[in-house]
Parts: sequence; C-alpha cells; structure tokens
Amino acid sequence: DVKVTQSSRYLVKRTGEKVFLECVQDMDHENMFWYRQDPGLGLRLIYFSYDVKMKEKGDIPEGYSVSREKKERFSLILESASTNQTSMYLCASFGNPSGNTIYFGEGSWLTVV
Amino acid sequence: RKEVEQDPGPFNVPEGATVAFNCTYSNSASQSFFWYRQDCRKEPKLLMSVYSSGNEDGRFTAQLNRASQYISLLIRDSKLSDSATYLCVVNPNNAGNMLTFGGGTRLMVKP
Repeated sequence: DVKVTQSSRYLVKRTGEKVFLECVQDMDHENMFWYRQDPGLGLRLIYFSYDVKMKEKGDIPEGYSVSREKKERFSLILESASTNQTSMYLCASFGNPSGNTIYFGEGSWLTVV
Repeated sequence: RKEVEQDPGPFNVPEGATVAFNCTYSNSASQSFFWYRQDCRKEPKLLMSVYSSGNEDGRFTAQLNRASQYISLLIRDSKLSDSATYLCVVNPNNAGNMLTFGGGTRLMVKP
C-alpha cells in the first residue's frame, strides 16, 4: 500500500515562529502536493512539486515555501507563522506506479497562537 | 461558478436507506473522476474511481454523465459507518497538479 507520512500531527506555534511540516512517501511518486483544508473552504492547493528540486505555486502560496531535495520528501515551510495559517495541512502524492490516484497523509493540525 | 460543486448537506438518512449525491464539474475536457471519503479529522481516502461506463463496488455505485457534466454516487442499504464527508474529485489532465476538489457532501446515517 502507498504510504504518505506526515511526521508532525499536532503542533501549536506562536505567531512569527518558523514552522516546518515534513512529508515522506514510499511509492517513488514524482508528484507531491501540499493542501490546507478549512471548514467551508474545502481543500486548497498551496504548492506542488513534479520532480526533485522542482516546485510550482498552487492557488494559495502566499506565506509558504516548500523544499524538495529528495524524491520521497516534500517539506512545507511557514517562514513566519500567522494566526490565519491555523489549519489542517494535508500532504499528498500522485504518480506511477499507482496510476491515477492521489494518496494523502494523515494531516497535520497546526494552531498558531 | 465553482469548478466542482457539491451540495454540502448534511444528508440525514436512516439506516438501510438509499442515498445519492451528485457533483457537477465545469471543465468539459476533464479526464478522470473520483469519489473520496473523509471521516471527521482524518485524511481523504479513495472510495472509488468513476468510469464512463459506471462502476459498482458492493453497496456503492458511481456514474458519470459527460453530457450534463456531473458524477453521482449512490449508496444502498446505508450503514452507520457510512457517516462521513464524500468528496468529488475531478482531474482535467491526468497529471495530478490540476486536481480539483469539491467542497464535500456530509452524510449522517442515523439508527
């Protein structure tokens, strides 16, 4: 089975702190994504990466950056956390040999106070 | 108009009932379609892909209507454990980076 692992499940950070969210997938997928999910707004794409060291902005990249130094790992960085970044963050991966299905990690619940 | 639209619900149904959800999409060139299930405070998980010919998996049936640009999910003999949010997902180009999610339809199955 495909496994997408988000190492930090629940975090509480202070405004202005730098936050790292790590995601690792074990299926050799080319594509990896970071979404945030908020009540009433659904899933929104922050950034995605289609290859090592490649990244593309999604719909809401402001306030975030990403890093993909290795194929299996995609990190989301909040350079200076703000309260409006309190949310659930979902990492996902997609690609061969899993066909046309996107797989999600368990989610990281971030609260910024 | 949103690219993928779903009735947010909640749909409150008794156990054993049949319930159906629709999801409309705006991009007529969309290539692939999925239903995901998301439990409260959990990640979405693939329920089933939706094929042009329709497909069935046990109590669940998914249909695609390209002419009217919607997909549907039918759940027969609802169980309490079916209570969840059902997300419609549309992929315009099979590349993953254009995946578009509906806002989800919440289903609550009552005893």
